[in-house]
Amino acid sequence: SYELTQPPSVSVSPGQTAKITCSGDALSNQYAYWYQQKPGQAPVLVIYQDTKRPSGISERFSGSSSGTTVTLTISGVQAEDEGDFYCQSVDSSGIYRMFGGGTKLTVL
Amino acid sequence: EVQLVQSGAEVRRPGEPLKISCEGSGYNFTNYWIAWVRQMPGKGLEWVGIIYPGDSESKFNPAFQDQVAFSADRSSNTAFLQWSSLKVSDTAMYFCARRDFRDAFDVWGHGTMVTVSS
Repeated sequence: SYELTQPPSVSVSPGQTAKITCSGDALSNQYAYWYQQKPGQAPVLVIYQDTKRPSGISERFSGSSSGTTVTLTISGVQAEDEGDFYCQSVDSSGIYRMFGGGTKLTVL
Repeated sequence: EVQLVQSGAEVRRPGEPLKISCEGSGYNFTNYWIAWVRQMPGKGLEWVGIIYPGDSESKFNPAFQDQVAFSADRSSNTAFLQWSSLKVSDTAMYFCARRDFRDAFDVWGHGTMVTVSS
């Protein structure tokens, strides 16, 4: 089976930089996508194709990729950034999508 | 405005059938795949599968194959997720999401909470 591995939690103080990683073998040749989910809400796309930011998403959100690991970076973290973040990709067949286990971002 | 509107919360007994819906508006519904995503209480997102409303071609996460069915009605711009016999373990929030040309899930429904309890 194909899996994406994320740390369960990340904590940062306001104004600092948060980095959330996602690891998986297929990430070396498949794009990654990042979604933010706040309590009681649907997920929202924040990064697509590893590094691109959708319109309307703060410039504080950025993505990077290296080998089998992708990273979501949130600069100048604000209280409103709290929530769960999920990476998502596709298996080597290009058919089956999967999500990482999710990372809870806490702003101290 | 592009949006997906899902049907309301459902409560069923084990063994009962259920069909929930996801209506798209503000775009050409038949041209975009619609994915279904499960979120069990307090847990993460799971990709259930995806359907192309244009011809109803579907692909399933192997973990959900034979557990659920997808369908789509092009005349009403609506996709459906259905169970023939619910289990208590089907209790979850179910989201639909549009897959765009960047291969991203760019628009999400608000979710339908399904509760299965005896």
